[in-house]
Amino acid sequence: DTGVSQNPRHKITKRGQNVTFRCDPISEHNRLYWYRQTLGQGPEFLTYFQNEAQLEKSRLLSDRFSAERPKGSFSTLEIQRTEQGDSAMYLCASSLVSMKQFFGPGTRLTVL
Amino acid sequence: DAKTTQPNSMESNEEEPVHLPCNHSTISGTDYIHWYRQLPSQGPEYVIHGLTSNVNNRMASLAIAEDRKSSTLILHRATLRDAAVYYCILSPRFSGGGADGLTFGKGTHLIIQP
Repeated sequence: DTGVSQNPRHKITKRGQNVTFRCDPISEHNRLYWYRQTLGQGPEFLTYFQNEAQLEKSRLLSDRFSAERPKGSFSTLEIQRTEQGDSAMYLCASSLVSMKQFFGPGTRLTVL
Repeated sequence: DAKTTQPNSMESNEEEPVHLPCNHSTISGTDYIHWYRQLPSQGPEYVIHGLTSNVNNRMASLAIAEDRKSSTLILHRATLRDAAVYYCILSPRFSGGGADGLTFGKGTHLIIQP
């Protein structure tokens, strides 16, 4: 399967711990996006990379959140000092130079 | 960002056409109209997008009003696998081509009855 992959698929952590998620985009896609989705809501945009450059960050992305895409391929999203309000599905998407974004299956985070 | 308005839910019968409406009265001239859908427990899936002209692909058709203040996603023959949340999204064309981050609303929950 050559779609967008995300790991882990599920993560349970205790409040105050740090967590890191990984996204592997479709090969050669130069754009990579992170979104967050809570129950009953549509996905909310967090941040976006073109190659290794982080071009846009939502105000939802607090100082506890950091995203990287070091070599313009896979990306990581880290949340420091997790809070219960961080519990959500974290979605990654990638695209080439087109209007079409391909989404991964998401990482479900539960903060206890 | 320009906003879209969609019904919370719609119901249709299997093998019948489905017309999903979207209002976007504050759309700007450079906004593309995108439709994505999200099946249960999956990430969103691209359906179709357009700017001014009606568009067709293997999944659906997109009918855009002449004044661009509304659009309709048409599923020509709904199946049970089309049961999903459908999102209508406006996005300006990125200066380098492609789209910026998408602004999803709550979408329309489409229920298909067998």
